[in-house]
Amino acid sequence: RKEVEQDPGPFNVPEGATVAFNCTYSNSASQSFFWYRQDCRKEPKLLMSVYSSGNEDGRFTAQLNRASQYISLLIRDSKLSDSATYLCVPSHALNFGKGTSLLVTP
Amino acid sequence: DAGVIQSPRHEVTEMGQEVTLRCKPISGHNSLFWYRQTMMRGLELLIYFNNNVPIDDSGMPEDRFSAKMPNASFSTLKIQPSEPRDSAVYFCASSFAIPHTDTQYFGPGTRLTVL
Repeated sequence: RKEVEQDPGPFNVPEGATVAFNCTYSNSASQSFFWYRQDCRKEPKLLMSVYSSGNEDGRFTAQLNRASQYISLLIRDSKLSDSATYLCVPSHALNFGKGTSLLVTP
Repeated sequence: DAGVIQSPRHEVTEMGQEVTLRCKPISGHNSLFWYRQTMMRGLELLIYFNNNVPIDDSGMPEDRFSAKMPNASFSTLKIQPSEPRDSAVYFCASSFAIPHTDTQYFGPGTRLTVL
């Protein structure tokens, strides 16, 4: 079973919209998580770390639901520059999977 | 800091040839990771080192792949002989601590095409 599962998308949203996507994980012992962002033809870069129930950084909010074993990423007031692939990974796991592709359109 | 450095950035080779990818981690980081990314399989871990010692190489596809880390500032990933199915982007990443606790910093990747 994969460590994490994400809807690959693509999620197509208009500029200014709010979009959320989930990442389900298999290991109930997972304590912390990372969200990485990967632009087209670039390397992944850390977007946010989540060590407790959630984290918020500007327009980005990550929430952890331990009972249902998923972590969500909410992007408010989406910008064209948010178009990227978003990868989640538990801190103990090292396979990132395919991530979720987001396309923000004018 | 220059970040993680990888070379070459692009490599085109013919099937059967040996390919060597190189990585210089961020100074002071003691964990180094090699990943392969394809559309079909996403970003997969091949191997990681901690303090220059290979810790987990279960992701290495087969004996054609080998990785070394002779010192804290250099690692290589070698494919011999290369096959068309090895075509992918290969990323090297480093982190300050063991993977469980710290952010990974990725290099720009090597885009490998095997004809």
